[in-house]
Amino acid sequence: DTEVTQTPKHLVMGMTNKKSLKCEQHMGHRAMYWYKQKAKKPPELMFVYSYEKLSINESVPSRFSPECPNSSLLNLHLHALQPEDSALYLCASSVLAGLHNEQFFGPGTRLTVL
Amino acid sequence: AQSVSQHNHHVILSEAASLELGCNYSYGGTVNLFWYVQYPGQHLQLLLKYFSGDPLVKGIKGFEAEFIKSKFSFNLRKPSVQWSDTAEYFCAVTGSGKLIFGQGTTLQVKP
Repeated sequence: DTEVTQTPKHLVMGMTNKKSLKCEQHMGHRAMYWYKQKAKKPPELMFVYSYEKLSINESVPSRFSPECPNSSLLNLHLHALQPEDSALYLCASSVLAGLHNEQFFGPGTRLTVL
Repeated sequence: AQSVSQHNHHVILSEAASLELGCNYSYGGTVNLFWYVQYPGQHLQLLLKYFSGDPLVKGIKGFEAEFIKSKFSFNLRKPSVQWSDTAEYFCAVTGSGKLIFGQGTTLQVKP
C-alpha cells in the first residue's frame, strides 16, 4: 500500500460545529503532516508529527487541533472555524521528518465553512 | 529562512511546444528539491526530485529538471507538451526540515 488516504473528501460545516478530518497511511512512515491549500495557492504547512509527537506547529489557531493516535493515523479536529478557513486540507507522510525524505500526499479534504 | 520563487505565474503553450518553468530557492545549506504537479481536481503528485548526484534529473511523463547549485536554480523542462499537461506546477525545497513551496505556475496547453 503506497498511498495516503483522507476522509471525508468533502465537508461542509457551520461555525459552531465540531468535526474531524482523518488521514491514514500504511507505509510504515513515522512522519505525518497537515497542510492547508487555498485555491491557486501552494500548500502551507500547519503541523508536523514525528514518531507520533508534535514537532512543528506553524502558529496555527487553536481552533485546529491535531492528534496522532498511532503511527498510521493522523486526525485534525475542527471547532469554531471561520469562513476564511475554507480550503483544501492535505495530509502527507514521509519515512522520517527532515532532509532526504520525500513526502507523499493524500487527495485532501475540501472544507467549506458556512 | 528558506524561500522558493517561481518566475512564471501563468504559461500558455500550444501542443508540441517546449516548456521551461523557472524555480529559484534561497537557502545556504544542503537542500532537497522537488517538482510537484496538481492536475485539475486532483491531488499533488511528485514529478521528480533531487537529493544528490547527477544534477540532471528525469521524472515521470517526460519531464526533467536541472539543479544548478551556483544559480540556486532547479528549472523544469519538457521538450514537447501535451494538452494533458495542463495543470498547476509547484517547485518545493526542503532545507531546514520543512517542505517550502513556490507560488506555483499555471500551465495551460492549447490543443
